[in-house]
Amino acid sequence: DAGVTQSPTHLIKTRGQHVTLRCSPISGHKSVSWYQQVLGQGPQFIFQYYEKEERGRGNFPDRFSARQFPNYSSELNVNALLLGDSALYLCASSRQAGVEAFFGQGTRLTVV
Amino acid sequence: GESVGLHLPTLSVQEGDNSIINCAYSNSASDYFIWYKQESGKGPQFIIDIRSNMDKRQGQRVTVLLNKTVKHLSLQIAATQPGDSAVYFCAEKGMRFGAGTRLTVKP
Repeated sequence: DAGVTQSPTHLIKTRGQHVTLRCSPISGHKSVSWYQQVLGQGPQFIFQYYEKEERGRGNFPDRFSARQFPNYSSELNVNALLLGDSALYLCASSRQAGVEAFFGQGTRLTVV
Repeated sequence: GESVGLHLPTLSVQEGDNSIINCAYSNSASDYFIWYKQESGKGPQFIIDIRSNMDKRQGQRVTVLLNKTVKHLSLQIAATQPGDSAVYFCAEKGMRFGAGTRLTVKP
């Protein structure tokens, strides 16, 4: 079985631009969560979706938004990019909310 | 506010020794914890989890202990191997992660 897949793997954007990151969960998993990981720190929770509904939101500005599609894949959108948004963005999927989650390899976003 | 933290940022052990990585949490209502291993350039990898109705859980070469009285959990790795070298995170409900402990195994 394929694991969690994220695209793209690397991305360079300019300040002020918008970015969309994509995540495909493991087959059968209905929950997707997004995290931001700055170098040298632990992942910071951004969003959790289950059955296409937002189930949790971390302490991130409204420039960050996400959605989950009927096939349980998900997109993370970030508007008006700042230099500080440069990070590894991780997606994790699980069968349901609150159980073991499996992570993708992440998307490395660099804002210049 | 609520937090999940690790006691030490780095841990160096000799190959074959046992490793113990500690984690403290502040929310007494926390009922589910996960330990993850993250190797360089990769996403976190699930190791083991534990719910608050347990105080110990064992996996292959790993044991997690949960002390709800002092809000502390630990990950014990038996017979540590070079392949265990990585950053280890504890996470409350998989959402609140600590800063991580970098484990280095010396051959």
